[in-house]
Amino acid sequence: GAGVSQSPSNKVTEKGKDVELRCDPISGHTALYWYRQSLGQGLEFLIYFQGNSAPDKSGLPSDRFSAERTGGSVSTLTIQRTQQEDSAVYLCASSPRGIITEAFFGQGTRLTVV
Amino acid sequence: DAKTTQPPSMDCAEGRAANLPCNHSTISGNEYVYWYRQIHSQGPQYIIHGLKNNETNEMASLIITEDRKSSTLILPHATLRDTAVYYCIVRVWGLTGGGNKLTFGTGTQLKVEL
Repeated sequence: GAGVSQSPSNKVTEKGKDVELRCDPISGHTALYWYRQSLGQGLEFLIYFQGNSAPDKSGLPSDRFSAERTGGSVSTLTIQRTQQEDSAVYLCASSPRGIITEAFFGQGTRLTVV
Repeated sequence: DAKTTQPPSMDCAEGRAANLPCNHSTISGNEYVYWYRQIHSQGPQYIIHGLKNNETNEMASLIITEDRKSSTLILPHATLRDTAVYYCIVRVWGLTGGGNKLTFGTGTQLKVEL
């Protein structure tokens, strides 16, 4: 597709379960970002991938959160042992040159932990 | 990045100009003003940015005061589809200095009505 694609669009999970969120960036974009947005809040940076460089994981809130980017394209954000405070919209973005203000965002995955 | 202040909400009649203000009194000389918007259930969308000159594109115009301490985003003929939260941020251009962390505040909820 032409834009950043995220799946699923909505996910409801029980507390304690693991979830995987997927992001398909725009083809050719070297940089990929994960953010989350809690209800009524601004964006919270989670993790950043740029080419073959080691990812910037400085925004991950706990060791329950991890992310991979395979083959420099698709990325998966994994949350283990989900908690209710993990409920949020998880947004993925990609940019052609690693400049965040040139990034295009996906529509997000709304995660609800019950 | 410099802090910005925006009104929490504004209303605008369809077809009229929507003027969205933003105060950024602590902006530094190398920081740009960026505007994004987020339509409900979608990811953030870049609108426009500028340094000190007024800018115009197909979506909007950006007016920056001479002292650069405030700016106004203008949607010249607002439509119902422009109903969204509008975010004003200031940051240096590019990767250095601001890194990959795009920080939004709570923005202005613009409601366009018939």
